[in-house]
Amino acid sequence: EVSFLASGGGLVQRGGSLRLSCAASGFSFSTHAMSWVRQAPGKGLEWVSSISGSATTSDYADSVMGRFTISRDNAKSILYLQMNSLTAEDTAIYHCAAFYRGSGIDYWGQGTLVTVSS
Amino acid sequence: SYELTQPLSVSVALGQPATITCGGDSVGLQSVHWYQQRPGQAPVLVINRNSNRPSGIPERFSGSKSSDTATLTISSAQIGDEADYYCQVWVNYRAVFGTGTKVTVL
Repeated sequence: EVSFLASGGGLVQRGGSLRLSCAASGFSFSTHAMSWVRQAPGKGLEWVSSISGSATTSDYADSVMGRFTISRDNAKSILYLQMNSLTAEDTAIYHCAAFYRGSGIDYWGQGTLVTVSS
Repeated sequence: SYELTQPLSVSVALGQPATITCGGDSVGLQSVHWYQQRPGQAPVLVINRNSNRPSGIPERFSGSKSSDTATLTISSAQIGDEADYYCQVWVNYRAVFGTGTKVTVL
């Protein structure tokens, strides 16, 4: 059974930093690309960042470029998101998600809540 | 930038068909995927690559695509189908999500 254990979310002041982790199990982590997708309260889904299975390719939404860094540890099946210079607009539930390139997102984590206070 | 436009809401009577559209220039160029998100839950993939139904998804869900519009159809809407639905395409490793449609079953 596929499962994700997300951690690292919480309340942080504007300008602060957080590191999200997402520990995956139940599927071949290293062969799946991974993404972070966030959802602000009452809003739609917003893609944040993706990383290839081998970690050789990554990309970021314009809204987080230069502030967020995605990484992964395939030996431990963990996905990370380092978030710096946080603003109120980063307040959201952050979901980790697994997919094969070009295909739909097969697996979604329940998400971890990040709240940035101003 | 890529944009995918969906109707804000769709209302459907119990047992009747519901259709949700997804429009945008990138629709014709890429495979479209559809997700269902119930309140307080993570999204679930209901249609993969335009028209493929993942294992465990009821047959009443189907997808199609024309040149610039993708369509998700629920052939006979059930109470449990009340949810938000999102279309999505990939541009390399960038995911583009539609604006989302709230489906209400009356």
